[in-house]
Amino acid sequence: RKEVEQDPGPFNVPEGATVAFNCTYSNSASQSFFWYRQDCRKEPKLLMSVYSSGNEDGRFTAQLNRASQYISLLIRDSKLSDSATYLCVVNIRNTGNQFYFGTGTSLTVIP
Amino acid sequence: NAGVTQTPKFRVLKTGQSMTLLCAQDMNHEYMYWYRQDPGMGLRLIHYSVGEGTTAKGEVPDGYNVSRLKKQNFLLGLESAAPSQTSVYFCASSYRGGGPQHFGDGTRLSIL
Repeated sequence: RKEVEQDPGPFNVPEGATVAFNCTYSNSASQSFFWYRQDCRKEPKLLMSVYSSGNEDGRFTAQLNRASQYISLLIRDSKLSDSATYLCVVNIRNTGNQFYFGTGTSLTVIP
Repeated sequence: NAGVTQTPKFRVLKTGQSMTLLCAQDMNHEYMYWYRQDPGMGLRLIHYSVGEGTTAKGEVPDGYNVSRLKKQNFLLGLESAAPSQTSVYFCASSYRGGGPQHFGDGTRLSIL
């Protein structure tokens, strides 16, 4: 069983739409959670950390549900520049603080 | 501020050849990581280091060795390259365990 599972998509949405991605993790000892974005043939870049109380950064909102072991990312008012692959990342402290990545969810925002 | 720098950016090897990938960070981070990324798969951890002079195995360590002789550098070695090691390799660093990672821009390695 994979540590982190994501719907690979692709998600194709029009500009201005709201889109949500979900991610589930299998290890209840998971401690830290992140969303990264990765553009084609580029390195992953941190989008936002995910906190237990939920957090927002502009048009992006992240939520964590520890009981159900899932993480979500909501993007409002989608821009063309949001087109990328979004990676869900989990850190598990009792594995030596290793990070586990989902395979990513592909988003294309259409004019 | 360079952040995380990887060299080389591209390399083509023949089966059985050896090479070393270099990762350098100027952020004084304690933790450093080597990942590989293959189509349809998430990034997978090869080896990591929690500080100068330390290394540990990740999810897919076979066929690779690493060294962290200086805090700012983390080297990944392939002793006898195999076609299965064709991949994009990313180095990352973080200031603490569990903290957000900063990535280099990758090394594209092809083994024929």
